[in-house]
Amino acid sequence: DIVMTQSPDSLAVSLGERATINCKSSQSVLYSSNNKNYLAWYQQKPGQPPKVLIYWASTRESGVPDRFSGSGSGTDFTLTINSLQAEDVAVYYCHQYYNTPNTFGQGTKLEIK
Amino acid sequence: EVQLVESGGDLVQPGRSLRLSCRASGFTFGDYAMGWVRQAPGKGLDWVGFIRSKPYGGTAEYAASVKGRFTISRDDSRSIAYLQMNSLKTEDTAIYFCTRLTTSGWVDSWGQGTLVTVSS
Repeated sequence: DIVMTQSPDSLAVSLGERATINCKSSQSVLYSSNNKNYLAWYQQKPGQPPKVLIYWASTRESGVPDRFSGSGSGTDFTLTINSLQAEDVAVYYCHQYYNTPNTFGQGTKLEIK
Repeated sequence: EVQLVESGGDLVQPGRSLRLSCRASGFTFGDYAMGWVRQAPGKGLDWVGFIRSKPYGGTAEYAASVKGRFTISRDDSRSIAYLQMNSLKTEDTAIYFCTRLTTSGWVDSWGQGTLVTVSS
């Protein structure tokens, strides 16, 4: 199974500042035939189901604010939230859909400093 | 608007069975793979499995922790996905989310979840 490891487990960022969350996979999730990384990012606010933010590692889902961006390839990925807003307080998860079983990172809890 | 509504969560004793249902609306159900993801209280997301759409074979894949105990099925005529859970263990206690998968595999829609508690 592909192990997804996020860092940090939690972080506190001031309003208006940048938050950076990392995700590392135990093997590459880049599919060579189409040059796509099978990596998604989800946001889960308290008491709610998760919501997709990013897929293909860097494609923003429709309706997601452009302060959210994803980058990386192969085994190392980053979710960046620019100009942090109060409504961004949540737990963020990376997810590899490269193969089965799919796996999630353990989550990163983002709070306001 | 895509809607996924789970039902069937309950308090059950270890070793017993339970069936969850996911009623879908707002899209052509038969065109999509459907899955289940669970979340133990205060913990992270745990992939349970999914079932492909009929054009892709209609077969299912499972996490190792549930393989042989859980079965995912679908009734395209009623737009319902099921999760049959047998030989339940205390570690199966979680909120179970029904999910809609894109053709490529990420989850683009989630239900609100239904709580399964396994306890004597």
